[in-house]
Amino acid sequence: KAGVTQTPRYLIKTRGQQVTLSCSPISGHRSVSWYQQTPGQGLQFLFEYFSETQRNKGNFPGRFSGRQFSNSRSEMNVSTLELGDSALYLCASSLALRVNSPLHFGNGTRLTVT
Amino acid sequence: ELKVEQNPLFLSMQEGKNYTIYCNYSTTSDRLYWYRQDPGKSLESLFVLLSNGAVKQEGRLMASLDTKARLSTLHITAAVHDLSATYFCAVVQGPSGSARQLTFGSGTQLTVLP
Repeated sequence: KAGVTQTPRYLIKTRGQQVTLSCSPISGHRSVSWYQQTPGQGLQFLFEYFSETQRNKGNFPGRFSGRQFSNSRSEMNVSTLELGDSALYLCASSLALRVNSPLHFGNGTRLTVT
Repeated sequence: ELKVEQNPLFLSMQEGKNYTIYCNYSTTSDRLYWYRQDPGKSLESLFVLLSNGAVKQEGRLMASLDTKARLSTLHITAAVHDLSATYFCAVVQGPSGSARQLTFGSGTQLTVLP
């Protein structure tokens, strides 16, 4: 069974630009979550999606947005990039029917903002 | 606001020795997860602890949860080099919180020396 797939693996952007990251969950997983990992702040929750609906949102500015498609694939978008947005962005999927099942993480997209 | 503290943050240990990583959290929760992250890699689920007194073991690792003390431990027995990684605990906020919205500890970077 294929794992969680994130594309691209690496991105370099300039301040003020916008970026879109993509995530394909494990087949059959309908819940997708996004996390930001930085050396300073650690792992922080961004969003949770299920059935194309955002269920929860973390404490991030409105520049961070996301969506989920009918095939459970998800994208997140960051507009007006700032240097502090440089991070590893991790997508995770889980079996929604098993409410406490662990998250399965992808390999992440490493975003560098210059 | 839920806060999760791990200690130690860095741990060097000799092969064959035992040690314990501690995870304290600040508000009521009965669901806690342990993950492992190898350098440059994503997070891998190790244990899911869903009730007070829960104990799970896999190989040389054993995790436990004491919800009254708001404490989880990850005990390493007879460490081997392959266990070198960063270990994270992650907590679900409250009894009705989503298991997809986790609050992570800062991680414990474990190095097992020959």
